[in-house]
Amino acid sequence: EAQVTQNPRYLITVTGKKLTVTCSQNMNHEYMSWYRQDPGLGLRQIYYSMNVEVTDKGDVPEGYKVSRKEKRNFPLILESPSPNQTSLYFCASARGTNYGYTFGSGTRLTVV
Amino acid sequence: GQQVMQIPQYQHVQEGEDFTTYCNSSTTLSNIQWYKQRPGGHPVFLIQLVKSGEVKKQKRLTFQFGEAKKNSSLHITATQTTDVGTYFCAGLPGNTPLVFGKGTRLSVIA
Repeated sequence: EAQVTQNPRYLITVTGKKLTVTCSQNMNHEYMSWYRQDPGLGLRQIYYSMNVEVTDKGDVPEGYKVSRKEKRNFPLILESPSPNQTSLYFCASARGTNYGYTFGSGTRLTVV
Repeated sequence: GQQVMQIPQYQHVQEGEDFTTYCNSSTTLSNIQWYKQRPGGHPVFLIQLVKSGEVKKQKRLTFQFGEAKKNSSLHITATQTTDVGTYFCAGLPGNTPLVFGKGTRLSVIA
């Protein structure tokens, strides 16, 4: 089944403790992206990648890191999480920016 | 950055009533996409419009792309409880990544 897999689905962590949210797609998509979703703010893009080893900042990149060492994986790294990073995170992939995105099931992160 | 405005933010309808959400951009869009997110779920791609004035239908859903390629609408005829969710438009303004509107949350009262 074609899908984008995110892990974990839920995570509660403490301020300052480094964490990684994994994202993997099995559709050989070139484009991958991370979004955060907060009430009233919609989907805001954190980082995106047009291809392997190519990453760019989205609208809200502060406090986040990404890497794209292989085509299928696009992990999101929070080096020192803070409470304002409590949010619902989605990974998405697409054949390219001109194609519909496939979203993962989401990761609900709480930073206390 | 680029913005895509979507209205209304919320819409409550009686089952059987029609529903429309609108999307507007200040710049010309290469294409417009529509997504649906059910409560507790993730956004799911519905459709993409590319041509000026394009109209596409999916059962009770009608999607339109404006002549100037700056606006779009999604119209649902005779809403059902299964239509509940948030509908997002997303526009592609040239070479920048897809820009999402903030969505319209639809509630359907049975």
